Amino acid sequence: EAQVTQNPRYLITVTGKKLTVTCSQNMNHEYMSWYRQDPGLGLRQIYYSMNVEVTDKGDVPEGYKVSRKEKRNFPLILESPSPNQTSLYFCASSPYTAGGGYTFGSGTRLTVV
Amino acid sequence: AQSVTQLGSHVSVSEGALVLLRCNYSSSVPPYLFWYVQYPNQGLQLLLKYTSAATLVKGINGFEAEFKKSETSFHLTKPSAHMSDAAEYFCAVSNSGGYQKVTFGTGTKLQVIP
Repeated sequence: EAQVTQNPRYLITVTGKKLTVTCSQNMNHEYMSWYRQDPGLGLRQIYYSMNVEVTDKGDVPEGYKVSRKEKRNFPLILESPSPNQTSLYFCASSPYTAGGGYTFGSGTRLTVV
Repeated sequence: AQSVTQLGSHVSVSEGALVLLRCNYSSSVPPYLFWYVQYPNQGLQLLLKYTSAATLVKGINGFEAEFKKSETSFHLTKPSAHMSDAAEYFCAVSNSGGYQKVTFGTGTKLQVIP
């Protein structure tokens, strides 16, 4: 089954404790992206990657890091999480053709206390 | 720059009534346009997309949308609402160039009243 897999689904952590949210896709898509979803703000792009070793900032990159060492994986790293990073996070992938549309993961609900 | 405006953060319809969710976009180049649906505790799922072919686009679950360039609109409709349509709906715009910068609207929650 074609899918984007994120882990974990739920995570509660403390301020400053480094964490990684994993994302993996099995569709051989070149393009992958991370979004955060907050009430009333819709989805905002954090980082994106157009292929292996090619990443760039989205609209809200502060406090986040990513890497793309393999085509299928695109982890999101929070090196020192803060409470304002409490949010619902989505990983998405698409073929590198405009208009392909995203396939989304099921989301990771992160709470930073 | 590109942007999307969804009119109405909450819309309520009776079961069996017409569903109309509004989306207006702004784009400096010919756009690609999308509607996504998000059910509770799930990720977003692509409902339909416009990529410069037919202006009336049909999607899954009986939804359709019409691209109107003169009105810069891409409203989502369904003739008869079903209880299972209750969800949040997001409109999104992408440019028609090679790189997919996708901008999402803030979403519209659809409530279906029995």
